[in-house]
Amino acid sequence: SAVISQKPSRDICQRGTSLTIQCQVDSQVTMMFWYRQQPGQSLTLIATANQGSEATYESGFVIDKFPISRPNLTFSTLTVSNMSPEDSSIYLCSHSGGRGTEAFFGQGTRLTVV
Amino acid sequence: GNSVTQMEGPVTLSEEAFLTINCTYTATGYPSLFWYVQYPGEGLQLLLKATKADDKGSNKGFEATYRKETTSFHLEKGSVQVSDSAVYFCALEAGGYQKVTFGTGTKLQVIP
Repeated sequence: SAVISQKPSRDICQRGTSLTIQCQVDSQVTMMFWYRQQPGQSLTLIATANQGSEATYESGFVIDKFPISRPNLTFSTLTVSNMSPEDSSIYLCSHSGGRGTEAFFGQGTRLTVV
Repeated sequence: GNSVTQMEGPVTLSEEAFLTINCTYTATGYPSLFWYVQYPGEGLQLLLKATKADDKGSNKGFEATYRKETTSFHLEKGSVQVSDSAVYFCALEAGGYQKVTFGTGTKLQVIP
């Protein structure tokens, strides 16, 4: 299993600004995933990021708001753009060992927008 | 589409009590089923899993059996400890796409 390092672990941001979250995996993985966990709620998938292609977004999430980069097989970034207080959440990156295997998660980024 | 319905919390139990957290699912094909746990201040981690019908996943005294006929994967533990206090998520992965669908999470608090 590959270990995921995610940063920053937390941030407080002004509305209207953008924050980029980074995830580094210690080995090559094909697919990475970005989730949002709103206060007191479950994890919701934002998008799937494959290296060499554009990210695939889930319903309700758009590239202009959550642009994602995947420049190589060990790294990905998620940007939360033009933030509002409603974007205050925990954001997590993840990868899977393959079909039927467990998913591995970064420690998460706790974002507060004021 | 895929979905997971999980018993609402919070659940408060006394130490050594029996725990059940109900989980049912809807999925196309034959999903793999998981329980993840999130301890206070920590990241999400796998607790146990089952990949086919009638499989039983177990770890740290927790168990769950994949019941295809009832589309359920209930989490049980015979005697909970204070250290089991955490949020528990039932989840599934189906279709080979490696995307995980989570339930809403159940917060468990165990009191001495």
